[in-house]
Amino acid sequence: DQQVKQNSPSLSVQEGRISILNCDYTNSMFDYFLWYKKYPAEGPTFLISISSIKDKNEDGRFTVFLNKSAKHLSLHIVPSQPGDSAVYFCAASAFSSGSARQLTFGSGTQLTVLP
Amino acid sequence: ETGVTQTPRHLVMGMTNKKSLKCEQHLGHNAMYWYKQSAKKPLELMFVYNFKEQTENNSVPSRFSPECPNSSHLFLHLHTLQPEDSALYLCASSQDRVNYGYTFGSGTRLTVV
Repeated sequence: DQQVKQNSPSLSVQEGRISILNCDYTNSMFDYFLWYKKYPAEGPTFLISISSIKDKNEDGRFTVFLNKSAKHLSLHIVPSQPGDSAVYFCAASAFSSGSARQLTFGSGTQLTVLP
Repeated sequence: ETGVTQTPRHLVMGMTNKKSLKCEQHLGHNAMYWYKQSAKKPLELMFVYNFKEQTENNSVPSRFSPECPNSSHLFLHLHTLQPEDSALYLCASSQDRVNYGYTFGSGTRLTVV
């Protein structure tokens, strides 16, 4: 059973418009959420994160929103650029005493920004 | 270059072969991870090492054997793999402080024939 779900495998957006990527989770113990971006032939790279005590975090063109009651988070990219075309992974983390924190990933959404 | 280096980048092996994947990080991180990425699936956590000690083994078949000789190096030894084991194997490290996220290597694309 997937604890982190990205129900849209792909998304196409026109350059300059807003891209909205969605993620749902089921584990109420998750207290930290991250978005990673992955280009082909490269490993995922960290993009932006949010703690469960916040409902919004912004970094330049990227904003992550967290709705804890709905167990839903979203990544907004505005304005979208062709270089943003990549696979975006949502990840969630829960504290585990005595062990390194672990990330649980979604299956990813392929974003294509059309020029 | 992210600071986490994986070799080889590509590997083709037969089902009776023995091979090893290598991961190296010089970021001063204390935790290292192996993940498997199959097409259209979430990244699957395989193993976690924290301060060189294995803390997690997510029901991974014994044909995958990890080794962490020190906090900078991580290996994944492979033997008698199956074609369904073909995937991208990603190594990651972290300071064990989640707000920094993980730093991933570029992965090893493994094909089992």
